[in-house]
Parts: sequence; C-alpha cells; structure tokens
Amino acid sequence: AQSVTQLGSHVSVSEGALVLLRCNYSSSVPPYLFWYVQYPNQGLQLLLKYTTGATLVKGINGFEAEFKKSETSFHLTKPSAHMSDAAEYFCAVSVYNQGGKLIFGQGTELSVKP
Amino acid sequence: DAGVTQSPTHLIKTRGQQVTLRCSPKSGHDTVSWYQQALGQGPQFIFQYYEEEERQRGNFPDRFSGHQFPNYSSELNVNALLLGDSALYLCASSLPGLAGGGGSYNEQFFGPGTRLTVL
Repeated sequence: AQSVTQLGSHVSVSEGALVLLRCNYSSSVPPYLFWYVQYPNQGLQLLLKYTTGATLVKGINGFEAEFKKSETSFHLTKPSAHMSDAAEYFCAVSVYNQGGKLIFGQGTELSVKP
Repeated sequence: DAGVTQSPTHLIKTRGQQVTLRCSPKSGHDTVSWYQQALGQGPQFIFQYYEEEERQRGNFPDRFSGHQFPNYSSELNVNALLLGDSALYLCASSLPGLAGGGGSYNEQFFGPGTRLTVL
C-alpha cells in the first residue's frame, strides 16, 4: 500500500523567501508523484508531476520538485515566494495499474507574509 | 472548455437522508473519480468510473454508490447520511492510460467540489 506524509501542517514564509514544502512517500513499487494546490473554496490544481525520467521536475508558477528515491522524498520548492502563493498544498502518490487512484497527504498550508 | 463542473455547490441535509451529487467531466475525458475531503484533511479516494463501470473503490461503505452515464457524466449517491459525511466532495476527470480506467500517470482535473453539510 502507498502512503504520503507531509511534514508541517503550516508553513509561513516572508515574501521573496524560499518556499520548501516537504513530502515523503511510501510505496513498494515505483511511484508516480504529484503536487496539487488548493485555493480557498476551490478544487485542486496540478502544480507538477513526476512519472519517469528526469528527477527534477518543473511546474507552473515557478515551483519545482525533486524525486529522491533513496530518501523516498518529493519536496516542493520555489526560490522566491509571492503573496499569491498562499494556499493549501497537497502531495499525492499513485502507482501503475491502480488506474489513477491518488493517495493524498494531509496537506500543508502556506502563508506568505508581506 | 468549461473544465470539470459539479452541482450543486452547497447542500445541507439531515441525518438519515439521501443525497445525489453530480459531475460533468472535462471535454474529452471519459474517466471520473470521486474524492471526499473532510475539513483540514487531504482528499480520500471514494471510487472511480470508466466505461460506466466502477473500476476501483476506496475504503468507503456501501452507503456510497455511484453511476456513470453514456456521456461520461457521473453521480455520487450517499444513503443514510451521518454527521461524519459532512465534507467537500471532489470530482476529478482524466484520460484513460494504456491499461484503461484512468492511467496512473495522467493528470486528474478537479472540479470545484460540492460542500455537503449534514445536520
């Protein structure tokens, strides 16, 4: 079975500072990994995904994540936070032959201070 | 392209009642998944429909059932509502992968959700 752990339910950064949201996964088979963002009263929007190939994945809005198999991690980063980045972020995992079933972490709420 | 749409936006029911939530997938998508998101939690997979059949199911009781229509739209039905069923219900659509039924590597596009409150 797969699982996802997001370290830190709340992260606060200053505008312009580095954003780092942590995600660790557990999977007995090679995983597919996703980061989604959720703004208040909205559905989820995909930021980026890792399936195979290059382990450093670039997404929308300047976000990127690196798949580290040895550390079972897929941390999300952004060099410089913007006020509009304030939202809830979810890391998720799926595996081949499970038809796209996503297992989500608990989420990390990102606050950006001016 | 309207993306994934869900109706209604909000719903209030009382314990024991039944509810039906509706979802229209993104144009060109034929796979629909439903998720329950309790307050402060990540979404939890309920089930997935492809070719009008339930392909996968999460750890939810039989009170949760669904249907997919020939036009790929879908319904989620919940019977005998409990207070604990209060949540945001999200619908997601995707393309099938090589194996059909929504490839694990394909992006799922989420709708805005239906907020269900059970009193």
